[in-house]
Amino acid sequence: DIQLTQAPSSLSASVGDRVTITCRASQNINKYLNWYQQKPGKAPKLLIHSASNLQTGVPSRFSGSGSGTDFTLTLSGVQPEDFASYYCQQSLSFPRTFGQGTKLEIK
Amino acid sequence: EVGLVESGGGLVEPGGSLRLSCTASGAPMRNYAMNWVRQTPGKGLEWISYINNSGKGTYYADSVKGRFTISRDNARNSLYLQMNSLRAEDTAMYYCVSSALAMVPKFDSWGQGTLVTVSS
Repeated sequence: DIQLTQAPSSLSASVGDRVTITCRASQNINKYLNWYQQKPGKAPKLLIHSASNLQTGVPSRFSGSGSGTDFTLTLSGVQPEDFASYYCQQSLSFPRTFGQGTKLEIK
Repeated sequence: EVGLVESGGGLVEPGGSLRLSCTASGAPMRNYAMNWVRQTPGKGLEWISYINNSGKGTYYADSVKGRFTISRDNARNSLYLQMNSLRAEDTAMYYCVSSALAMVPKFDSWGQGTLVTVSS
């Protein structure tokens, strides 16, 4: 199975900050990497697919990059509604796997 | 984008069975591969099962293989998860999730989830 390791597991930020979350895969997954946002009590929501493609309707302050084993989710100018948990997920092979998540909290 | 609504969750004793359902609206379910993803309270996400558009191809996580069965009825726009031999560790929120045909499969739309609690 492909393991995904996210870092950090939690971070604190202020509104307007730039934050970066990383996701490392245990093997080469090319660009088969997606990012999701989950707010408390809600289902996850797709943010970025294929490592760097913004899902329709997602604000442009979100961006993704990377390929192979190392990936990054960046929020440029955190907004109050962005405080949530973020997960990476690989779609190269079954079983589909998720990172353990990163909780973004208000400083 | 397809809308998804799960049902069928509840409290069940260890060793018991439960059948989850998911109904699609806004687009024909036959256009999507479908998945079940679960999340234990306060924990992360775990993909547990996949079924292709036709229903002829399925995959399972090792944690549920042999106990859970995914199926679909495209005529009814419905997805199912038959869960047998339930264990305490199956306690979780279960999400029905669609995957539109794409080069890189992704979990496009999620239902609101249905809670399964396995306890005596």
